[in-house]
Amino acid sequence: KAGVTQTPRYLIKTRGQQVTLSCSPISGHRSVSWYQQTPGQGLQFLFEYFSETQRNKGNFPGRFSGRQFSNSRSEMNVSTLELGDSALYLCASSLVSGEETQYFGPGTRLLVL
Amino acid sequence: SQQGEEDPQALSIQEGENATMNCSYKTSINNLQWYRQNSGRGLVHLILIRSNEREKHSGRLRVTLDTSKKSSSLLITASRAADTASYFCATAAFSGAGSYQLTFGKGTKLSVIP
Repeated sequence: KAGVTQTPRYLIKTRGQQVTLSCSPISGHRSVSWYQQTPGQGLQFLFEYFSETQRNKGNFPGRFSGRQFSNSRSEMNVSTLELGDSALYLCASSLVSGEETQYFGPGTRLLVL
Repeated sequence: SQQGEEDPQALSIQEGENATMNCSYKTSINNLQWYRQNSGRGLVHLILIRSNEREKHSGRLRVTLDTSKKSSSLLITASRAADTASYFCATAAFSGAGSYQLTFGKGTKLSVIP
């Protein structure tokens, strides 16, 4: 089976812009979670989607949003980018639940200038 | 907020030696997982231990879980240069929002010197 894929892999944006990141889970996986990783804060949970519904949300401002499509593919959007949004954004999928083994994609590295 | 806290933050050993990393957490958990991350890449799942288990093995990996002390340890035996990576523990706990959430610690950076 193909692994989790994320596009794009690298992205450079300027403050105030918005960005959309995409994640394709492993075939058959219905749960998709997003994480932000920075040197200072480590890995922080953003949100989890299951069957096109947001099931869980981390402690991030409303500028961070996401959605899941009927084929389980997911996108996350960050509006009004800030310098502090520079990070590695990781997507992970699992069969059903966020407590199961997570299969991670390679990540999207976002740099906000 | 971080649930798991790894100790030590960094560890440097010679190839062939054993490496032990510890993880402490604060709340009740459903399971605890260990992941490895090679520099700036995605995480790779290593092992999952459930709250009713005390010890688990997988190849050169041995994980223990002490729920009374809210702590876990990961032992890598006969380390290799290829084991050089960051290791994270992640705790799965009920989020109260109808599902479970995985919370990661800040990781232990392991360097294995050939």
